[in-house]
Amino acid sequence: DTGVSQDPRHKITKRGQNVTFRCDPISEHNRLYWYRQTLGQGPEFLTYFQNEAQLEKSRLLSDRFSAERPKGSFSTLEIQRTEQGDSAMYLCASSLTRGKLFFGSGTQLSVL
Amino acid sequence: GESVGLHLPTLSVQEGDNSIINCAYSNSASDYFIWYKQESGKGPQFIIDIRSNMDKRQGQRVTVLLNKTVKHLSLQIAATQPGDSAVYFCAEVHPRTSYDKVIFGPGTSLSVIP
Repeated sequence: DTGVSQDPRHKITKRGQNVTFRCDPISEHNRLYWYRQTLGQGPEFLTYFQNEAQLEKSRLLSDRFSAERPKGSFSTLEIQRTEQGDSAMYLCASSLTRGKLFFGSGTQLSVL
Repeated sequence: GESVGLHLPTLSVQEGDNSIINCAYSNSASDYFIWYKQESGKGPQFIIDIRSNMDKRQGQRVTVLLNKTVKHLSLQIAATQPGDSAVYFCAEVHPRTSYDKVIFGPGTSLSVIP
């Protein structure tokens, strides 16, 4: 399968702990997006990479959130000192052409 | 703020009937629009797109209509099937100098009654 893969699929953590999610995009895609989705809502933009450069971060991303894409390949999203409000589905998408995003199945985060 | 909205949060249709899902967008600078389908437990999947210089585009069993005058987008699904049950999102693409920002609406949940 050469689609976008995300790991882990599910993560349960206690409030205050740090978590890290990984996204492996489709190999030739230079654009990579992170979105957050809560139940009954559409995906909310978090951040965007073009190759290894992080070009935009949403104001939704507090200082506790950080994302990287070393060498323009896989990406990681880290949340430090998790809060219950961080509970959501975190979606990664990659693309080669504008707007046509290919999504992974997401990482479902539950903060207890 | 930025938003792409709807709204009819849920839609139920009989199998075999046609479905129409509507969307209103807010940014008149958006020049590209996309419909995505999200099934339970999966990420959104591209269905069909349309550029702002068009008012209609057809795919297999799906048609997207764009009315720029009233900033309205619709997705029509012909002969709706049980496999069409999902949440449908419209998304608008904002052209920017460095990249294109993709903004999703809140979605419509389509249920197909066998």
